[in-house]
Amino acid sequence: QVQLVQSGAEVKKPGSSVKVSCKASGGTFSSYTISWVRQAPGQGLEWMGRIIPILGIANYAQKFQGRVTITADKSTSTAYMELSSLRSEDTAVYYCAREGSSSWFDYWGQGTLVTVSS
Amino acid sequence: DIQMTQSPSTLSASVGDRVTITCRASQSISSWLAWYQQKPGKAPKLLIYKASSLESGVPSRFSGSGSGTEFTLTISSLQPDDFATYYCQQYNSYSLTFGGGTKVEIK
Repeated sequence: QVQLVQSGAEVKKPGSSVKVSCKASGGTFSSYTISWVRQAPGQGLEWMGRIIPILGIANYAQKFQGRVTITADKSTSTAYMELSSLRSEDTAVYYCAREGSSSWFDYWGQGTLVTVSS
Repeated sequence: DIQMTQSPSTLSASVGDRVTITCRASQSISSWLAWYQQKPGKAPKLLIYKASSLESGVPSRFSGSGSGTEFTLTISSLQPDDFATYYCQQYNSYSLTFGGGTKVEIK
């Protein structure tokens, strides 16, 4: 059974960066694809990007290109999402999710609330 | 990016009702569509993938259909546990997108 456990809530100032972690257990981490999805308060789901740990290749939604970096550490089975130049509109719950054999999401982390406030 | 449009945005229904939610894609996505259920404060849960394949452990009252640009999620007999928000998601393209969500409320 795959489990994804995310780091805790963060409060950040506008203009700063945040890095959220997602530790996987169960299955073979290197063979996963891990995506990051965010959800602003009261809003829908928004895909940010993904990483294929075995290849170390990441790709990003155009909206976040240049501001988001997704990485993975195979030795600790942990994926990371770093978002820079934070603004109030980035206040959201950030989820990591494993992509199934195609790009649907079959396992999700519990979510990490990032609050951007001066 | 492929745009996904769900309707209705809110739906009021009673226990035992048959409920249908529609998702339309801005271009053909073949059958590369998934459906999720989300409850307040929780992560989404996969219900359906490849438009009509039921995820393991999901009750058989949930079903999905469609291909191309039009898809439906049907709940054959609404149960108290089904009051939640439902999202479709396309994975036909490199860049994944979700519909805006449908909230199923108690009538």
